[in-house]
Order: sequence, then C-alpha cells, then structure tokens
Amino acid sequence: EVQLVESGGGLVQPGGSLRLSCAASGFTVSTNYMNWVRQAPGRGLEWVSVIYSGGSTYYADSVKGRFTISRDISKNTLHLQMSSLKPDDTALYYCARAIGFCTSTSCRGGFDPWGQGTLVTVSS
Amino acid sequence: DIQLTQSPSFLSASVGDRVTITCRASQGISSYLAWYQQKPGKVPKLLIYAASTLQSGVPSRFSGSGSGTEFTLTISSLQPEDFATYYCQQLHNYQFTFGPGTKVDIK
Repeated sequence: EVQLVESGGGLVQPGGSLRLSCAASGFTVSTNYMNWVRQAPGRGLEWVSVIYSGGSTYYADSVKGRFTISRDISKNTLHLQMSSLKPDDTALYYCARAIGFCTSTSCRGGFDPWGQGTLVTVSS
Repeated sequence: DIQLTQSPSFLSASVGDRVTITCRASQGISSYLAWYQQKPGKVPKLLIYAASTLQSGVPSRFSGSGSGTEFTLTISSLQPEDFATYYCQQLHNYQFTFGPGTKVDIK
C-alpha cells in the first residue's frame, strides 16, 4: 500500500527550529517529486516546498531561506528542516507525492497520496 | 509568481444541482492544473489532474476543463458527500501554488 506518515511536529518558540519527517512505504521517495504542503488552522492549503527526483529543490517565497527540504534514501524518508520559525508558520504540515508526468519545471499531474499531517505550533 | 483565484469563494447548492467552480491563473499555465476536495478534518483528495484527467476512483460526475489561464471544475449532479471545500492548484514553473478554495455548502 502506498502510504506517507509524518512526524516531528510540536510546540516551538518563535525563532526556534524543528525538523519534520515523512516516512514513505509502497514507493521510493528518491524517484518521485516529493512535496510539503501546510494548512494553518481554518485556512487554505499552502504549497511549501518540492524536491525533484534529480535532487533540485524549490520553495515558496514565504519560507525561502528558512526551510530546507531533503531526503534520506536509505530510510525512504522525506524531511523538512525549519528554522527561524514565526507564529505565521503555525500549521498542519502534510507531505505529498506528485504523480503524473513531471519535467524539470512542471508537473502534468497532482498530489497523491498525502500523509495525515503533523501539527507545528509556533508560540511563546 | 503565478497566482490563482477561484470563484465563487462560497457556493450554496442543493443535492442534484449542477455546480461549476472557476479557477483563473495570473499567467498561462497550459494544462498544469489539478483540483482537490477537502472535507473538514480530512486530508485533501486529488480529483482531477492535467486540467481534465479524472483521478482513478473519482466518480464520473466530476469533470474538469480549460487551459491557459481559465479552468473549471464541474459536478454534474451534486451528491450529499460532495459538500466540501475545493481547491485548484497550478504545477507550472517550479512553484506549485494552490487557489484560495471554494466552499460548497448545503442550501
């Protein structure tokens, strides 16, 4: 079964750091375009970051320079290292795989599956 | 950056109604557009990708169309389980942004 399970969320003070993990089963993280998406309480979906199968990484402007996406091939796991956290980063963080035909810039596809999410709360 | 707008932001409809949601992109994105359904407390579900391709397992009452800057999601006959929030997403040019969402509520 294709599945994603996130972990690592929690309460962190403003300016702090946190590392999220997303364990995949049923497929290989390193051969897919893997993403992080977040959803603040009561708000819409916000795309955060992608790592391409070739290793290229891209970020939303709101997190660029503060967040780093990576993957551990040996553990088939995706990570999101978050630093300089702000209260506006408070959200449920999902990992998701892009399916369809993806090139170096675009995907003629969508995100499936999604994990259940891990909650990050940034507050003093 | 490519921005997406959705209209309407809120829609009140009855079971059996035909419902259409529009998504507009700030610049052309060919057919690099997906649609999702999200129910309260649940994970988003992929409905349509590549603007008009139905994801496996999604009922045929859902359909998508459009290319370039204007896209539509149509539900041909609204069912009780379709009351949810719908998001479009563009997957073009490095950043895969989502639209603000359209909430479909019971009339």
